[in-house]
Formats: sequence, structure tokens, C-alpha cells
Amino acid sequence: GAVVSQHPSWVICKSGTSVKIECRSLDFQATTMFWYRQFPKQSLMLMATSNEGSKATYEQGVEKDKFLINHASLTLSTLTVTSAHPEDSSFYICSASLGIGNQPQHFGDGTRLSIL
Amino acid sequence: GENVEQHPSTLSVQEGDSAVIKCTYSDSASNYFPWYKQELGKRPQLIIDIRSNVGEKKDQRIAVTLNKTAKHFSLHITETQPEDSAVYFCAASPTGGSEKLVFGKGTKLTVNP
Repeated sequence: GAVVSQHPSWVICKSGTSVKIECRSLDFQATTMFWYRQFPKQSLMLMATSNEGSKATYEQGVEKDKFLINHASLTLSTLTVTSAHPEDSSFYICSASLGIGNQPQHFGDGTRLSIL
Repeated sequence: GENVEQHPSTLSVQEGDSAVIKCTYSDSASNYFPWYKQELGKRPQLIIDIRSNVGEKKDQRIAVTLNKTAKHFSLHITETQPEDSAVYFCAASPTGGSEKLVFGKGTKLTVNP
């Protein structure tokens, strides 16, 4: 149980393109999902907390107009990197939990984004 | 806010030896501490977790200990195998798994055959 699917797994696109990444909880409902960014050989840095039916909560230093998050249902959250530039190239990972009292977070497979 | 320190950053052991990774946290309100294993290019996978009402938890070759007074927790892997080689991350959450996690910087474990 607690499977999280993330799509696409790899994206290569030109500078200025907007890229949408989907995160789905396949066998459970997730009121809260999290989006992380991971640079090579570094730790996971939380970008934002995605709340179903309300606005996402962004961490300090993360541009909310650059990284648009939509959590329209209990099983789907999307992250859109708008007008992506080479410095946005990174590994983006989502996670979700059951959210019922101390449940662990389960991660998607991640999306490797490369902006040319 | 919470700050998690993790040591060592790299650890190399011989197959069959034990490996210990240590983490400290700053927020005394944190009460949930998971450990994740991440292989290159793959998702972090939860390997064990502990809550603040428990001092130790074991699952086969993996164990985690928690010292709330000192605000540190450790991962112990016994009888290491080459497939244990990966990057291990500790994390802390102020109010449990449904809240955000603050991760340590990771430990790259290499088990030499």
C-alpha cells in the first residue's frame, strides 16, 4: 500500500518552456502532499506543502509564481515550473502521506528536469 | 525552525561489519523521526521510523535509537551487505508524518565486499 506515482520521470526542454509534473497517490487519499527539490549529491529541500482544496504553503525563498502548485483532488497534486531556465534543472520529488496521525511520507520516483 | 545535523557524510565499511549514522535535531517539539534509503537516481524509501514515545526500534538488521533528552537519534545497520550501499537520510517532523519533514544532509554508505 501507500504507492505514490510521479510523472514524467524525465523531461528535457528548451529555456522558457513551462513544465508540469504530476504526483498521484494510487491507493490512498492524500490531503497533503509535499514537493521537494534535490540537487546532485545533496539532500532533499522542501519547496512547498500542497493542501487539497486550498493554496499551497511555500518555504522561504521559493517563488510561488515560478513554481505553481495545484492540489485539486485527494489523489493528485501538480507542480508547474513556469518559464523554466537552466538553473531550474534539478530532481523534483513529491511525497504524500495518509495524514492520519503520524503516518510516514511515501515518495514518488521523482522527475529529472533538464533545461537546455 | 527545525534543524537536523547528520554525521558522517560518508561511511565505508567492510561487508559484515556494522554501520552507525547519527543525527541531532534542534526542535524539542519534534516527535517523529524517519530514516530513508536512496539509491542513485531513485526515490527515497522509508526503512525505519521512530516516534518520541519509544527509545528504540528494531527491524531485522536495522535499528534506530532515540535520546529525547540529548535530541539525537541513530541508525544502526548490522551485518552489512553490498546492497546496503546507498545514501541514507534522517529526518525530523515536529508533529508527525503528516507534517513536513526536515532532512539531514545524508550519509553515503559504501559496503565493500
